[in-house]
Amino acid sequence: TQLLEQSPQFLSIQEGENLTVYCNSSSVFSSLQWYRQEPGEGPVLLVTVVTGGEVKKLKRLTFQFGDARKDSSLHITAAQPGDTGLYLCAGGGFGGTSYGKLTFGQGTILTVHP
Amino acid sequence: DAGVIQSPRHEVTEMGQEVTLRCKPISGHNSLFWYRQTMMRGLELLIYFNNNVPIDDSGMPEDRFSAKMPNASFSTLKIQPSEPRDSAVYFCASSPDRYNSPLHFGNGTRLTVT
Repeated sequence: TQLLEQSPQFLSIQEGENLTVYCNSSSVFSSLQWYRQEPGEGPVLLVTVVTGGEVKKLKRLTFQFGDARKDSSLHITAAQPGDTGLYLCAGGGFGGTSYGKLTFGQGTILTVHP
Repeated sequence: DAGVIQSPRHEVTEMGQEVTLRCKPISGHNSLFWYRQTMMRGLELLIYFNNNVPIDDSGMPEDRFSAKMPNASFSTLKIQPSEPRDSAVYFCASSPDRYNSPLHFGNGTRLTVT
């Protein structure tokens, strides 16, 4: 079974601060996806990284996939109250019945105070 | 595009009763996933279908849980008999193909079993 450990579980910061969320595993993943979930809604995709070492930027968010494709990080610069939510990483499986499966981390609850 | 549609949004039932959750995936998506989300265990994959065929149901907790996909536009998740520990938010998600595709989630069904 592939497991993804996400840290920290909770993050409470002031507007304007920077933060990093980590997603780690002992398993190799075909891809790493990051989602954001707001209360009462389903998770919504932020980004997919596929290549080891890949870095993607989405405005103030920077996503990195580890060289060995076992870990990933999400860095937010100058956080804003609108960034508040649950951030989830999810790893894609490889062959057999794991081919289309996503394994989710436990999530990081981010609260940004004005 | 209406997105993934789940019904009902909320379900409150008594222990021992049968519960049926419904999902309409995005038209043209050929993979469908059922997830369960709790504070303790996060997002857990229960079962997923590809082209209406169940590919992996190893996440289905017990024989009390069953899922069907009679056609490309409809799926059900049934719990019979329900127990208080089944209380959770159940999400349906669809994707256009199996490999590294992002998931499009519905807004979930919040199930409470008393």
